[in-house]
Amino acid sequence: GQNIDQPTEMTATEGAIVQINCTYQTSGFNGLFWYQQHAGEAPTFLSYNVLDGLEEKGRFSSFLSRSKGYSYLLLKELQMKDSASYLCAAQDSNYQLIWGAGTKLIIKP
Amino acid sequence: ETGVTQTPRHLVMGMTNKKSLKCEQHLGHNAMYWYKQSAKKPLELMFVYNFKEQTENNSVPSRFSPECPNSSHLFLHLHTLQPEDSALYLCASSGGLGTSNEQFFGPGTRLTVL
Repeated sequence: GQNIDQPTEMTATEGAIVQINCTYQTSGFNGLFWYQQHAGEAPTFLSYNVLDGLEEKGRFSSFLSRSKGYSYLLLKELQMKDSASYLCAAQDSNYQLIWGAGTKLIIKP
Repeated sequence: ETGVTQTPRHLVMGMTNKKSLKCEQHLGHNAMYWYKQSAKKPLELMFVYNFKEQTENNSVPSRFSPECPNSSHLFLHLHTLQPEDSALYLCASSGGLGTSNEQFFGPGTRLTVL
C-alpha cells in the first residue's frame, strides 16, 4: 500500500533549527511536496523535490533521497510565525498526491 | 489571497438537511479537487475534476455529490450527512493532471453535522 510517515508533533525554540522528517512508500514516484498549514487556514506550498539532494529557499530547505524513500524539511532561524503544521505529500505514478497526517511544530520563546 | 475561494467558511447542519459548498478558482487552472481533512489524519482526496470531467471518486459515499459546471467552479452537494462527516473540507486547484504542478488550496469550509 501507499503510506507517508512523519512525526505527529515537534517542539523547538525561537532562533533555533528544526528538521522534520518524512518517509514514503508509493506506487511509483513523481516528486515530494511540503506544505505549511497554519491553524484554521489553507495549506500553502513550500517546496517540491523530484531529484536527490537539497533545495534551499531562504530559511527553509528540503532534502530528498529517492533510494531511501526519505525527505526532510529544514527550518532555520525559527520565528514564532513558523508555528504551524507541516504536511508531506508524495506524488505517485498517476501524479496523485499521497499525504502524511502532518507534523505540528510548536515554537517556544 | 491564494486565488481559491470557498463559501461558506463555517456550516452547521442537521442530518436531514441539504446544503452545498462552493469553490471558485481565479488562477486559470484546469484541475480541481475536493479534500476532507479530519484532525490528526492525512488529507483524504474525495473527487478530482480535469477540464470539467470527473476523473476520480475515491469511494466517497453517495451523500456527497460533486458538480463542476466549468473549470473555475466546483460544488459539493451534501445531503443526509452523518456526524462523522464533520471535518474541514478543502478545495484545491492545479494547472492540470499528469503534471507536478503544485496544488493551491482554498481556506476550507468547517462543517459540523449535528
